[in-house]
Amino acid sequence: IAGITQAPTSQILAAGRRMTLRCTQDMRHNAMYWYRQDLGLGLRLIHYSNTAGTTGKGEVPDGYSVSRANTDDFPLTLASAVPSQTSVYFCASSDSPDPNTEAFFGQGTRLTVV
Amino acid sequence: GQNIDQPTEMTATEGAIVQINCTYQTSGFNGLFWYQQHAGEAPTFLSYNVLDGLEEKGRFSSFLSRSKGYSYLLLKELQMKDSASYLCAAMDSNYQLIWGAGTKLIIKP
Repeated sequence: IAGITQAPTSQILAAGRRMTLRCTQDMRHNAMYWYRQDLGLGLRLIHYSNTAGTTGKGEVPDGYSVSRANTDDFPLTLASAVPSQTSVYFCASSDSPDPNTEAFFGQGTRLTVV
Repeated sequence: GQNIDQPTEMTATEGAIVQINCTYQTSGFNGLFWYQQHAGEAPTFLSYNVLDGLEEKGRFSSFLSRSKGYSYLLLKELQMKDSASYLCAAMDSNYQLIWGAGTKLIIKP
């Protein structure tokens, strides 16, 4: 089934540890995104990639890094996790970053930093 | 600054009609999206408006007024499965989506 897959689905992480959230899509979409979703707040963009080989910073990039070595994969790394990074993380992809382009979301990764 | 406002929670009755409002302020504007998100699940696309007016898609319709910075999502013939959060998002001049916190819609029998 075509779609976007995230792993793990949930994780409890000790503060100070390094963690990579994985995201893979098989729709050959050019654009990919990482969001965090916190209670009472809208989705906030962490990093994005408009095409393989390029990345950009979103609204809340500090403490996170991404890479886009190929079209399908867009991992998000927390270099040294802090409790404020406790959140639900969603990866999304779209055919292009242009308007009128539907974004498809993964099922999310629920991360708790303790 | 950029901002999206929508009600936190709404309650409606099965079979009825409900309108969820959204106001936005963005640096430039490239369209308004509505997404549905069931609890514990991923958001899924409902609609996109960039021109003023009403777009109808089955039981769901979305309206946009660019001059007022205002949109609404209209849900008709409500079903229990429509219980979800509805997310409004505006695309700014950099093609970035600015998201509202979502409106939790509770449907009662």
